[in-house]
Amino acid sequence: GAGVSQSPRYKVAKRGQDVALRCDPISGHVSLFWYQQALGQGPEFLTYFQNEAQLDKSGLPSDRFFAERPEGSVSTLKIQRTQQEDSAVYLCASSPKGGQGPQPQHFGDGTRLSIL
Amino acid sequence: AQSVTQPDIHITVSEGASLELRCNYSYGATPYLFWYVQSPGQGLQLLLKYFSGDTLVQGIKGFEAEFKRSQSSFNLRKPSVHWSDAAEYFCAVSLYGGSQGNLIFGKGTKLSVKP
Repeated sequence: GAGVSQSPRYKVAKRGQDVALRCDPISGHVSLFWYQQALGQGPEFLTYFQNEAQLDKSGLPSDRFFAERPEGSVSTLKIQRTQQEDSAVYLCASSPKGGQGPQPQHFGDGTRLSIL
Repeated sequence: AQSVTQPDIHITVSEGASLELRCNYSYGATPYLFWYVQSPGQGLQLLLKYFSGDTLVQGIKGFEAEFKRSQSSFNLRKPSVHWSDAAEYFCAVSLYGGSQGNLIFGKGTKLSVKP
């Protein structure tokens, strides 16, 4: 079956440009997460959606980062006025709602963002 | 605050040898525990998880992990490593089992396999 799909796989942008990263979660999954993985590091939490509601955005590093999931399925992570320190792999994960007990997150292959 | 420590940054083992990757967590109660594997250029694949019950959990690809509450550890093991196991391994914890809360990851352990 289809897993979590992210696009583009690679994105190169010049410093100061805006970028948008897309995540298609597994169909029917209620929860959606974004993580940032710097080179040689583990993923770090950015933000969490339950359906269209953004319940936790405590991990967003600055107000240049914005995420949305307007219809409760596809999500977009937008970074405005990109900086070199934004270079990283951005991972999206989805999970069914935990009504039947805790469940693990399923990850996409990520978008590798390089800021020149 | 919760944290996850993977003390070994890089481990090299010979093919056919046994493997143990260490993971320690810091949290007041028992969190939900996970091991993920990441091949180059790929996302994270779940190997196994511990939520409750039997402290020895079996996962995919012949991996197992043991939860030890007294040591706050959740070490990953495999009796005989295959060359295809070369990858980066991440231990992670969550308060809510992953469906309602973010995962906190360790920095990862890179596994190399010698022929």
